[in-house]
Amino acid sequence: AQSVTQPDIHITVSEGASLELRCNYSYGATPYLFWYVQSPGQGLQLLLKYFSGDTLVQGIKGFEAEFKRSQSSFNLRKPSVHWSDAAEYFCAVAPKAAGNKLTFGGGTRVLVKP
Amino acid sequence: KAGVTQTPRYLIKTRGQQVTLSCSPISGHRSVSWYQQTPGQGLQFLFEYFSETQRNKGNFPGRFSGRQFSNSRSEMNVSTLELGDSALYLCASSFGQGMNGYTFGSGTRLTVV
Repeated sequence: AQSVTQPDIHITVSEGASLELRCNYSYGATPYLFWYVQSPGQGLQLLLKYFSGDTLVQGIKGFEAEFKRSQSSFNLRKPSVHWSDAAEYFCAVAPKAAGNKLTFGGGTRVLVKP
Repeated sequence: KAGVTQTPRYLIKTRGQQVTLSCSPISGHRSVSWYQQTPGQGLQFLFEYFSETQRNKGNFPGRFSGRQFSNSRSEMNVSTLELGDSALYLCASSFGQGMNGYTFGSGTRLTVV
């Protein structure tokens, strides 16, 4: 069965510092890959997605992610964190076969220190 | 254009009751999926509807059911509520296979007492 692992439950970064969130997936074939962000009490907002092609994907809010097939990873990065980036981040995968079903990682909560 | 709309935003129900949640997808989106989010289990897929047909189903008991109408609006129903059903229920809509991404609503917070 497919699974998504986000090894870091919490990450604390200083404002202005760089951020990297890890995501590893286990799947029979390369699925669609996504990163979502959730602010407290809110739904999920799509940051970026990967389907094929260029392995470095640019998203909204200055985020980017790199797909590494050999490591089954899809890590999210941001060069300089803003206080408004404090939120929970979810990595998710979906099969390329018919049907839409997202499998989520457990999430990483990001705290930003002033 | 309007996003995914979920109603109501908050619900408090008593054990044993049933509840119906509603989701209106983005105009033109024919796929609607439902997810349950709890602190202990995280985000879990409930089911997906496409053109009024259930296309995928997660590992939830039969007390959880859903349907989709011809205008793509969807409802999910939970019967015989249990305390463990307390969660944030999220709906997501997609145009097709999801290659355009899935847009989520703000969710319905269900509390069972």
